[in-house]
Amino acid sequence: NAGVTQTPKFRILKIGQSMTLQCTQDMNHNYMYWYRQDPGMGLKLIYYSVGAGITDKGEVPNGYNVSRSTTEDFPLRLELAAPSQTSVYFCASIGLANTGELFFGEGSRLTVL
Amino acid sequence: DAKTTQPPSMDCAEGRAANLPCNHSTISGNEYVYWYRQIHSQGPQYIIHGLKNNETNEMASLIITEDRKSSTLILPHATLRDTAVYYCIVRASSGNTGKLIFGQGTTLQVKP
Repeated sequence: NAGVTQTPKFRILKIGQSMTLQCTQDMNHNYMYWYRQDPGMGLKLIYYSVGAGITDKGEVPNGYNVSRSTTEDFPLRLELAAPSQTSVYFCASIGLANTGELFFGEGSRLTVL
Repeated sequence: DAKTTQPPSMDCAEGRAANLPCNHSTISGNEYVYWYRQIHSQGPQYIIHGLKNNETNEMASLIITEDRKSSTLILPHATLRDTAVYYCIVRASSGNTGKLIFGQGTTLQVKP
C-alpha cells in the first residue's frame, strides 16, 4: 500500500490563480481530511469527508472547495489564491476500524505571491 | 473549537520520563483519547489511544483519569528524537466521527 499520496509537494502560485491539491489513499478508508498548517502553528481543519459523495466544512473552509466522487480521492481546490493561503497542506485518512491511526500524506507546501 | 487543552511547551531531560498532560473535560462517553506527535514539518504520527483504561505500547503509556476529564501521555525514557509537538485529540469510536480538531499541541523539548 502506498498510503496517502499528495501532489504536488511544492507549488508557487500568483495571487488570483487557482489550483487543485490532489490526495489519494489506497487503504479503502472512509474518512478523509484536509488540514493546513501555518508556520509555528497547529493543524487547522479545512474540510473533511465521511465517505464518497459526503463532505463538510471544518474550521477554516473559506477560499477552498472539495469533492469526494470516489473513496480513494479527495482533491482540494483553491479558487482565487491569496497570500493568506500560503501554508503547508496535509491530507489524512482513517478507516472505520478503531485502530486510531490517522494516516497523513507528506504535505504540500504552497506559496502564494 | 478544540475539545482539548494542553500546555504550549514543556522541557524534559534526556533519559527522564516526559509527562504530557491533556484536559478534555467535555469528553463524551463514546469518545476515545488519541495522541499524535509531529516532528519538524512532517505529517503527524500516531502514538497511542485509549477509552477508560490505561494503555501502553512500545512508544508510550497513556494514563486516563477515572472521570476521563484528563489524561497524561508518558514517554518513559525521553530521547532527543522525541523532541516534537504532541497533540491530544478526542474522537468517537463509531458512527459519524466528524471533525478531528487538533488544537495547538504541546511542544516538547528534550534537552541533553
